[in-house]
Amino acid sequence: DAGVTQSPTHLIKTRGQQVTLRCSPISGHKSVSWYQQVLGQGPQFIFQYYEKEERGRGNFPDRFSARQFPNYSSELNVNALLLGDSALYLCASRAVDGIDYNEQFFGPGTRLTVL
Amino acid sequence: ELKVEQNPLFLSMQEGKNYTIYCNYSTTSDRLYWYRQDPGKSLESLFVLLSNGAVKQEGRLMASLDTKARLSTLHITAAVHDLSATYFCAVDISRQLTFGSGTQLTVLP
Repeated sequence: DAGVTQSPTHLIKTRGQQVTLRCSPISGHKSVSWYQQVLGQGPQFIFQYYEKEERGRGNFPDRFSARQFPNYSSELNVNALLLGDSALYLCASRAVDGIDYNEQFFGPGTRLTVL
Repeated sequence: ELKVEQNPLFLSMQEGKNYTIYCNYSTTSDRLYWYRQDPGKSLESLFVLLSNGAVKQEGRLMASLDTKARLSTLHITAAVHDLSATYFCAVDISRQLTFGSGTQLTVLP
């Protein structure tokens, strides 16, 4: 079975631009979460979505937004990019029932560089 | 605000030696995870600990959870070079994970 997939793998943007990152969860998983990992730090929670609704939001500015589609895939949008937005963006999917219920599975990440 | 503290942050150890990484957290939770991350890579799930007293072992790694003390440990037995990586603990509150800062482990020959 395919794991969590994310695209693109790498992205280079300049300050002030906008970026959209994409995530497809494991088949059958209905919950998607986004995390930001700055170099040398642990990941920080950004958003959680389930059934197309936002179920949780971390301490990030309104420049960060996300949505979930009927097929449970998700997009993370960041507007007005700052140098400090340079990070590895991780998507995690979770089943809402069954044997995988308690575990979040992470995708390979999108590395965003803001120049 | 939930705080998750790992120590040590950096650990160099010789092959064959044993060591323990500690993860303390500030809020009640009965779900704790350990992940491994290789440079430039994503997070690999190692252990899911779901109750007080939970102990899980896989190869040279063993994780435990004491919810009353708000403490989890990751014990490394007879370290080998392949274990060199960064290890994170993460506490689950309402399915939102709060991660520690990570322990960068280097196993020396």
